[in-house]
Amino acid sequence: DIQMTQSPSSLSASVGDRVTITCRASETIRDSLNWYQQKPGKAPNLLIYAASNLQSGVPSRFSGNGSGTDFTVTISSLQPEDFATYYCQQSYGTPPTFGGGTKVE
Amino acid sequence: QVQLVESGGGLVKPGGSLRLSCTASGFALSEYYMSWIRQAPGKGLEWISYISSSGTAMLHADSVKGRFTVSRDNAKNSLYLQLHSLRPEDTAVYFCARESRGAYFQFEQWGQGTLVTVSS
Repeated sequence: DIQMTQSPSSLSASVGDRVTITCRASETIRDSLNWYQQKPGKAPNLLIYAASNLQSGVPSRFSGNGSGTDFTVTISSLQPEDFATYYCQQSYGTPPTFGGGTKVE
Repeated sequence: QVQLVESGGGLVKPGGSLRLSCTASGFALSEYYMSWIRQAPGKGLEWISYISSSGTAMLHADSVKGRFTVSRDNAKNSLYLQLHSLRPEDTAVYFCARESRGAYFQFEQWGQGTLVTVSS
């Protein structure tokens, strides 16, 4: 299985901050990388697909980058509703696998 | 409005069985690949099962292979997950998820989840 490693596991930030989360795959996954946001007690929500494509309805302050094994998601100016846990997920190999999550608090 | 609603979770003893359901509304389930994904309390996400749009192809994670079976009834716009030989480590919220068209394992729509608790 392809292992996905996120860093950091948690971070402390303030409204207006620029926040970047990193995800590394154990082998190349090309651009088959998706990012999700999850709030407590809710289902995950797809933010970015294929490494850099913004899902419909997602604010433009979110952006994704990377290919191969190293990927990032950036929030350009953190808003109160962005405090949540973020997960990366590879869709290149079977089974699809998720990173361990990054809690933004 | 596109919606997925899971049901069927509950408390079950180790070794027991459950059948989870996921009912779709606002779209034709028959046009989409679907998956089940679970999340143990306070933990991350784990994909467990996939089924093709017609139901002819299925995949399961090694952790549930031989114990869980995914199925679907497109006429009822419903997806199912049959759970057997349940273990305490199967305790989790179980989500059904719709995959984006033309993109395997890109989960664009999720249900709210149903909690399965395995305990004596």
